[in-house]
This record gives sequence, structure tokens and C-alpha cells, in this order.
Amino acid sequence: DAGVIQSPRHEVTEMGQEVTLRCKPISGHDYLFWYRQTMMRGLELLIYFNNNVPIDDSGMPEDRFSAKMPNASFSTLKIQPSEPRDSAVYFCASRRGTHQPQHFGDGTRLSIL
Amino acid sequence: GQQVMQIPQYQHVQEGEDFTTYCNSSTTLSNIQWYKQRPGGHPVFLIQLVKSGEVKKQKRLTFQFGEAKKNSSLHITATQTTDVGTYFCAGMGRDDKIIFGKGTRLHILP
Repeated sequence: DAGVIQSPRHEVTEMGQEVTLRCKPISGHDYLFWYRQTMMRGLELLIYFNNNVPIDDSGMPEDRFSAKMPNASFSTLKIQPSEPRDSAVYFCASRRGTHQPQHFGDGTRLSIL
Repeated sequence: GQQVMQIPQYQHVQEGEDFTTYCNSSTTLSNIQWYKQRPGGHPVFLIQLVKSGEVKKQKRLTFQFGEAKKNSSLHITATQTTDVGTYFCAGMGRDDKIIFGKGTRLHILP
């Protein structure tokens, strides 16, 4: 069984550029989560979807961040324009149902210069 | 909003010593989950506790859920070098999202 697949694994770009992170959840999972992890702030929930519908985006830092889930097997997190303080590891996770474990992808390590 | 506090932030122990991390929620939880993240890796699910006062064991790991369902603990007996990593608790309130604690980073001294 394939796990959650994220791409790219690493991204280095200059500030001001648009960054797009991609996630393919585990087949059959109806919840998808985007997290950001830094040393200072730990693991922060940015947004989550249920059946492709955004349920709670209160963790999205500001309007520069946007997330979409056009179908059950794909989601994107976009940052435009990117800033150095956006540098972090971004994780995508999925789960089946409500009271179930979350399965994390390997993450995207993002560096904004 | 719901907050999950976890202590300590860091813990250094000699190999063979015990280790405990504690988790407290500002609100009553419907369940609590524990995850482990190895250095450079991603969080991996360990266990879920649902019932008030529940205790579960996985080999040297013991997980407890408080009677009021607002706190939890993870205890590791006789730590080994393979236990190195960051341990997160994650609490679910009435809605269906999970809030992660900031984690406890465990370092084992040989």
C-alpha cells in the first residue's frame, strides 16, 4: 500500500517566487491535512479537507498561502509570493474517518533565500 | 481555542534510564493519539487512547489517558538508542481536527 506521497522533497527558491507543494493522499482516505513544522513553532495545522472540501483554514498564516483539493487524490499548497520566514518542513497527512490515525508523507523541506 | 501543552520540551537520559512525557489539554478530549518522529523523518502513529483512565502498553512503552480526559502521559522503561526522536501527543476535541503538542525531544546518552 503506497503511503502519502509529497513532492518535491526539497525546494530552494528566492523570495518573491511562487512555490507549489503537492500531495497525494492514501487511496480511500477522506481527510487531508497540511502542516508546517519549524523548531520555534513545532507542528502547526495549516488547513484540512474532508471529502475535498476545506473545513478549517484558520491556521493559514496569511493570504499568501492557499490550498486546493480538486479531487480525492491530489492537493496543492501554494505560497505566492514566498518569504524567507516561510522556510520550514511542510507535511501532508491523510486519514480515513474521524477517530483514526493520521498518515504523514515524508514532507517537503522548503528554503526561501 | 483548543490548546495542547506538552512537557518537557527536551529530555536527555542515560541509556537504560526511564523517560516520561506529559500532555495537557485546555479542553476535554474525545481521544488522544501519540506519534514518534525520528530525526529527519515524519511523525509516525504509535497509539490512540479513547476511554477515561485508559492504559495501554507497547513493549517498553506505557500510555495513559487521564480520568478527566484532559491529560495523558507516555512512559518508556529502560530507554534504548532506538528510542531517540521527538514524541508528540495529539488531541481531538469535539470537532474532527487534531491539535498536536509541541513534542518532547528525547536524546539518549550512551
